[in-house]
Amino acid sequence: DAGVIQSPRHEVTEMGQEVTLRCKPISGHNSLFWYRQTMMRGLELLIYFNNNVPIDDSGMPEDRFSAKMPNASFSTLKIQPSEPRDSAVYFCASRLSGAGVGTQYFGPGTRLTVL
Amino acid sequence: QQQVKQSPQSLIVQKGGISIINCAYENTAFDYFPWYQQFPGKGPALLIAIRPDVSEKKEGRFTISFNKSAKQFSLHIMDSQPGDSATYFCAASKAQGGSEKLVFGKGMKLTVNP
Repeated sequence: DAGVIQSPRHEVTEMGQEVTLRCKPISGHNSLFWYRQTMMRGLELLIYFNNNVPIDDSGMPEDRFSAKMPNASFSTLKIQPSEPRDSAVYFCASRLSGAGVGTQYFGPGTRLTVL
Repeated sequence: QQQVKQSPQSLIVQKGGISIINCAYENTAFDYFPWYQQFPGKGPALLIAIRPDVSEKKEGRFTISFNKSAKQFSLHIMDSQPGDSATYFCAASKAQGGSEKLVFGKGMKLTVNP
């Protein structure tokens, strides 16, 4: 079975550029989560969707960040304009509602470097 | 506000030793406590989880101990192996009737020397 798929795996960009991260959840999962991981702040939840609808975006740092889930098999996290402090590893995770709230399956992550 | 506090930040043990990671939480509404394991370059993966109606759960060499009155829980890794070297995160959430959000601790890097 394919797990959560994220692309790109690595992204290097310059400050001010637009960055789009992509995620394909596990087929059949109906909840999707975007996390950011840094040494200083650890693993932070940015936003999560349930049945393609954004439920809680209180973790989104500021208006430069936006996320969409146009269908059950695809989600994007966009940063525009990007800043050096956005450098981090971004994870997407998915779960099947009813499987136990902790059973989130994480993708391999996208390592973002903003110069 | 850090709702889940994890300690220590790092730990080095010898092969065959016991590794112990501690977590404390603040929100008494939490009722689901998973542990995640993360290897370098990989995403976190669920290792073991517990609900507060039991005080201990064991799966192979991994055991969670839970103390509801103290609002603390810990992960014990028996007979630690070099392959256990990873970062371990505790987390907490409301399993029923609440947000699906997991609140993670800061993580603990475990190194098991051969």
